[in-house]
Amino acid sequence: TQLLEQSPQFLSIQEGENLTVYCNSSSVFSSLQWYRQEPGEGPVLLVTVVTGGEVKKLKRLTFQFGDARKDSSLHITAAQPGDTGLYLCAGVGANFGNEKLTFGTGTRLTIIP
Amino acid sequence: DSGVTQTPKHLITATGQRVTLRCSPRSGDLSVYWYQQSLDQGLQFLIQYYNGEERAKGNILERFSAQQFPDLHSELNLSSLELGDSALYFCASSARQRGYGYTFGSGTRLTVV
Repeated sequence: TQLLEQSPQFLSIQEGENLTVYCNSSSVFSSLQWYRQEPGEGPVLLVTVVTGGEVKKLKRLTFQFGDARKDSSLHITAAQPGDTGLYLCAGVGANFGNEKLTFGTGTRLTIIP
Repeated sequence: DSGVTQTPKHLITATGQRVTLRCSPRSGDLSVYWYQQSLDQGLQFLIQYYNGEERAKGNILERFSAQQFPDLHSELNLSSLELGDSALYFCASSARQRGYGYTFGSGTRLTVV
């Protein structure tokens, strides 16, 4: 079973601060995705990273895929109340026949105005 | 609107009953995935269909079954319902067999009383 552990589980910070969310596993993934989920809605895809060491930026969000493709991080600069939500990392198995998306445990982020 | 349609949005039923959840994937997507989300278990993969055929199976109970029809819509059948089956059930679709770029529906909130 491929497990993705996210940390922290809960994070509450003031508007304007920076934060980093981590996603770690002992398994190798062919790609890793980050989603944000708001109450009453399904997860929405933010980014997909494929290459070990890859860094992608989406406005104030920076996503990094670890060199060994086992971990990832999400860094938010100057957080805003609109960033509030549940952030989920999800990995695609690297082995043939195991390509389903496995979700991490989630980080619930609250940005205080 | 993500393009993935799930019905019903809410469902309240008694223990022992059977329900059917329906999902229409985004136009052109051949893969349909079902996930269960509960507070203590996160997003758990149940089952995947690709172009009408079962492609991958996760932690799906024997009381649960699914199918994908020729028009690509999918149904998840839950029978002999127990209180612990109360959860959000999400359907996601993607264009490919592999787990890239899932689009999620808004989910069905099932409450078993």
